[in-house]
Amino acid sequence: EVQLLESGGGLVQPGASLRLSCAASGFTFSTYGMSWVRQAPGKGLEWVSAISRSDGITNYADSVKGRFTISRDNSKSTLYLQMNTLRADDTGVYYCVRDVGPFDLWGQGTLVTVYS
Amino acid sequence: DIQMTQSPSTLSASVGDRVTITCRASETTSSWLAWYQQKPGKAPKLLISRASNLESGVPSRFSGSRSGTEFTLTISSLQPDDFATYYCQQYTSYFQPFGQGTKVEIK
Repeated sequence: EVQLLESGGGLVQPGASLRLSCAASGFTFSTYGMSWVRQAPGKGLEWVSAISRSDGITNYADSVKGRFTISRDNSKSTLYLQMNTLRADDTGVYYCVRDVGPFDLWGQGTLVTVYS
Repeated sequence: DIQMTQSPSTLSASVGDRVTITCRASETTSSWLAWYQQKPGKAPKLLISRASNLESGVPSRFSGSRSGTEFTLTISSLQPDDFATYYCQQYTSYFQPFGQGTKVEIK
């Protein structure tokens, strides 16, 4: 089955770090660009970061630039999002998505809550 | 960066109604625009890509169009399963903004 499975979310205090993982299965992970999209509680969708298929080119939303790092391990078919210096407004569900231009495959999401 | 303005933010409609949602780009862009449907507690689902290309398995009552910088999602006859929130997204550049979303509610 073609799927994306996120993990690593949790409850943290401001200033803390978290690393999200996304395990891909059912397709050739290395041939696709990937992105992270988040959704604050009761709010809309926000693109967070993207990474190219193999050469590691990355892009970030201004809201996370300098704090978040996207990476991938094609040998493990896994996408990562290292989140440092977390803030309350980083709270939300984080989705891993397959990027074919539009986002054609979404994970179920993992919840990150930053509280003080 | 291109900004996407989606309207209305909420829409009340009845089963069988024709529904139209609009997304306007802040500057001229290509037809690299997608529409997604999201139901409560679920991940979004891609409905339409390239402004008017219906994804496999999406009912034909959904359609998309473009006129200049304005993009439209139309549901020709609203069904009970269509009550959800809809988002547009442009994917021309490395920055891939979403519209603010349109919640389609039961009237």
